[in-house]
Amino acid sequence: AQSVTQLGSHVSVSEGALVLLRCNYSSSVPPYLFWYVQYPNQGLQLLLKYTSAATLVKGINDFEAEFKKSETSFHLTKPSAHMSDAAEYFCAVPGDGGYQKVTFGTGTKLQVIP
Amino acid sequence: DAGITQSPRHKVTETGTPVTLRCHQTENHRYMYWYRQDPGHGLRLIHYSYGVKDTDKGEVSDGYSVSRSKTEDFLLTLESATSSQTSVYFCATREWEGPANEQFFGPGTRLTVL
Repeated sequence: AQSVTQLGSHVSVSEGALVLLRCNYSSSVPPYLFWYVQYPNQGLQLLLKYTSAATLVKGINDFEAEFKKSETSFHLTKPSAHMSDAAEYFCAVPGDGGYQKVTFGTGTKLQVIP
Repeated sequence: DAGITQSPRHKVTETGTPVTLRCHQTENHRYMYWYRQDPGHGLRLIHYSYGVKDTDKGEVSDGYSVSRSKTEDFLLTLESATSSQTSVYFCATREWEGPANEQFFGPGTRLTVL
């Protein structure tokens, strides 16, 4: 079964500092992987996705993620945090029952300190 | 963005009462999903639908039922609400089950069972 693990339920960074949110996947086949963002009191929206076309994936709002097969990781980064980045971030992987179901990580809440 | 609405947006009910949540989409997406979001658990799949009158269970389906009589509407019913079903419920859609296809989320329904 496909699964993802997010390390750190809460991450705090200073405004302007590097953002690093961790996601490790468990998969017996090359996965497809997603990062979603949830702003307060809203639904989730797609940040970026890995589809095996390129290991470095760029998303919205200057976020990017690098797929590393040797580390089974797909960590999300942003060079310089902005106050508006404060949100909860979810890693996700389709799998289980073909690709009909999607499994989400437990989420990482990002706090940006001014 | 996919047009996904959820109703009601907030509901307070009492233990033992039936509750129905509605998800409506305007994008003609084949797949629709119901998730619940709880602190520390991320998003957990309750039920999903892969077409009109075609539904299947997710990982936390006990106590919930669903129906989809039209492509655009997916209903989630709590037959007899319990306090453990207090949560935020999200509906999502997906055009088809291709692994690179992302989900689109509604704004959520906050349900409190007293």
